[in-house]
Amino acid sequence: RKEVEQDPGPFNVPEGATVAFNCTYSNSASQSFFWYRQDCRKEPKLLMSVYSSGNEDGRFTAQLNRASQYISLLIRDSKLSDSATYLCVVRSYSGGGADGLTFGKGTHLIIQP
Amino acid sequence: NAGVTQTPKFQVLKTGQSMTLQCAQDMNHEYMSWYRQDPGMGLRLIHYSVGAGITDQGEVPNGYNVSRSTTEDFPLRLLSAAPSQTSVYFCASSYSGQPQHFGDGTRLSIL
Repeated sequence: RKEVEQDPGPFNVPEGATVAFNCTYSNSASQSFFWYRQDCRKEPKLLMSVYSSGNEDGRFTAQLNRASQYISLLIRDSKLSDSATYLCVVRSYSGGGADGLTFGKGTHLIIQP
Repeated sequence: NAGVTQTPKFQVLKTGQSMTLQCAQDMNHEYMSWYRQDPGMGLRLIHYSVGAGITDQGEVPNGYNVSRSTTEDFPLRLLSAAPSQTSVYFCASSYSGQPQHFGDGTRLSIL
């Protein structure tokens, strides 16, 4: 089983709709979780950290389910500018790459007018 | 505050040539990393460093080496370029336990 798994999509969603996608992780010792956004041919940029109690930033809501080992990202009232690839990132101090970070391959989201 | 700066942004090499991709950060981050990103493969870690003088291999280190003589700089060297090394390369830095900041990438083509 891969350490961090995401549905690659693409998710085709009409403008204004709500969309949600999940990311599952295999290491139960994982400590920190993040969502990054990557636009085509650009660098990944931090969208938001994911806290145990869940957190919201404007139209974006992130949640963590430790029992089932997944995190989710929900986007409300989607905009054309939300079209991007969303990367799930997990930090596990028991292993992984630099600073224990493991990146998912990303979920491609396309918002259609 | 420039963040993470990568140079060059684009490069074309011939097979067998060597070159160095530069990465510099001005945030005094101890962690620095190099990734390559290929279509359908996601980000793959090449090498990383937890501080000046300390480097370690990531998932795909073959054909590359790195050094970390200062906190600010983390160059990536391609020893003898091969077409399989055609990719987009990202450098990233962070404080321990914090999210990574990425440079805007180097697009490398090997002919």
